[in-house]
Amino acid sequence: GENVEQHPSTLSVQEGDSAVIKCTYSDSASNYFPWYKQELGKRPQLIIDIRSNVGEKKDQRIAVTLNKTAKHFSLHITETQPEDSAVYFCAARDTGFQKLVFGTGTRLLVSP
Amino acid sequence: DGGITQSPKYLFRKEGQNVTLSCEQNLNHDAMYWYRQDPGQGLRLIYYSQIVNDFQKGDIAEGYSVSREKKESFPLTVTSAQKNPTAFYLCASSRDRGEGTEQYFGPGTRLTVT
Repeated sequence: GENVEQHPSTLSVQEGDSAVIKCTYSDSASNYFPWYKQELGKRPQLIIDIRSNVGEKKDQRIAVTLNKTAKHFSLHITETQPEDSAVYFCAARDTGFQKLVFGTGTRLLVSP
Repeated sequence: DGGITQSPKYLFRKEGQNVTLSCEQNLNHDAMYWYRQDPGQGLRLIYYSQIVNDFQKGDIAEGYSVSREKKESFPLTVTSAQKNPTAFYLCASSRDRGEGTEQYFGPGTRLTVT
């Protein structure tokens, strides 16, 4: 089955800096990679996703890159703001069992 | 917020009691999922169901049971066999099991067992 590793576990940046969170996956057949943001006490919400036929996807200040050869994908947040502070989860779709496998999360803290 | 609800928001039980967590969705989604969230451990899959009257064990199914008698409902029972039941439980649903379908999460139920 699929295994997803996520780094770092915590990330502190100053407002306006960029933040990068990295994930690796084990199953080369995985074809869908979403990123979720979870604010304290709230439900996870999808912020961006990428499919295996695409190398990069952007949505305003957020971008995701995928390297299928190396089996890793990354979330990039530019011009960070305090409201970006949250826990971010990456995931990969386990094609064998038709389910998402999540990373352990990255707590991002953006200081004013 | 996506049309998936969980109740109650907070639940307290005594050790040794079974407890059932509710999850309902009005999104007409085929697939539904239960996750457990503990601090620093991310989201771990308990059970999932791709279709009515069918479900599969996830990574940490021991001590839990589910049913999927209706498309819109996927209740989770935490049994007395679950050794550490205190956690935040999240239910999710997705349109189908096809490629690239977003999972929508419910607001969660925080279960405390003493």
